[in-house]
Amino acid sequence: DAKTTQPNSMESNEEEPVHLPCNHSTISGTDYIHWYRQLPSQGPEYVIHGLTSNVNNRMASLAIAEDRKSSTLILHRATLRDAAVYYCILTKSYSGAGSYQLTFGKGTKLSVIP
Amino acid sequence: DGGITQSPKYLFRKEGQNVTLSCEQNLNHDAMYWYRQDPGQGLRLIYYSQIVNDFQKGDIAEGYSVSREKKESFPLTVTSAQKNPTAFYLCASSLRGRIYNQPQHFGDGTRLSIL
Repeated sequence: DAKTTQPNSMESNEEEPVHLPCNHSTISGTDYIHWYRQLPSQGPEYVIHGLTSNVNNRMASLAIAEDRKSSTLILHRATLRDAAVYYCILTKSYSGAGSYQLTFGKGTKLSVIP
Repeated sequence: DGGITQSPKYLFRKEGQNVTLSCEQNLNHDAMYWYRQDPGQGLRLIYYSQIVNDFQKGDIAEGYSVSREKKESFPLTVTSAQKNPTAFYLCASSLRGRIYNQPQHFGDGTRLSIL
C-alpha cells in the first residue's frame, strides 16, 4: 500500500501562512489525498481532499504536485486554534479494503507561536 | 446540529470485565467506524460497518465486538480477551461506505482505562 511521509513537527508564527508537506512517492493513479487534523483529546477533523488538481475550501488549500508524488497543505493565515496534529492520508478509489478505511500515520504536530 | 456522540467520555474497567462504548450519529450516514489511538500514535481501525446489520473487521479486531442493529448506532464492546485495552477510542461515520472521495466525521472519543 502507498504510504505517506510527513515531518514530525513544524512551527509557525501566528497570522503567517503555513505550508505542511507530505511525500507519497508510491501513490497510484487512483489514490485520493486527504488531510485531517486533530486537537488534543478530540477526534480528528476533516480538512480537505483532492485527486489531481489543487483544491481550496474555507479551511485551507491543497497543492498537489504535477507528478502527484507530493502535496502541500496550506493554511493561509495561522491562528492559535490551528495548533494540532495534521495527518496526510491516501485513500483508494477502487473496490478494496483501502477504499473503506483511513490509515493514519503519526502526522505533523504544528505549533503556532503568538 | 448533526454530529456523532460518544459516551461516556471516560470509562474505567476492572480486569476481566467487558465494557461497551456507545456511538450515536444523527447525520443519516450509512457507514460507521471504530478506531483506537494509543499515546503519540495514529489511529488504527478496529471495525467498520457499511450498512445496517453488516460489519467487517479492521486491522486490530481481536478482543473487540460490534453490532449495527440501527443506522444511528454502532456500539463497541471491549471484551476481557483484549489484552491491552487502555486507549482512546474514536467513532466515525461517512455518508457512504467507500470513503475515497468523502470525509469521515469523528466523535470526541472515549478514554478507557484499566483499574
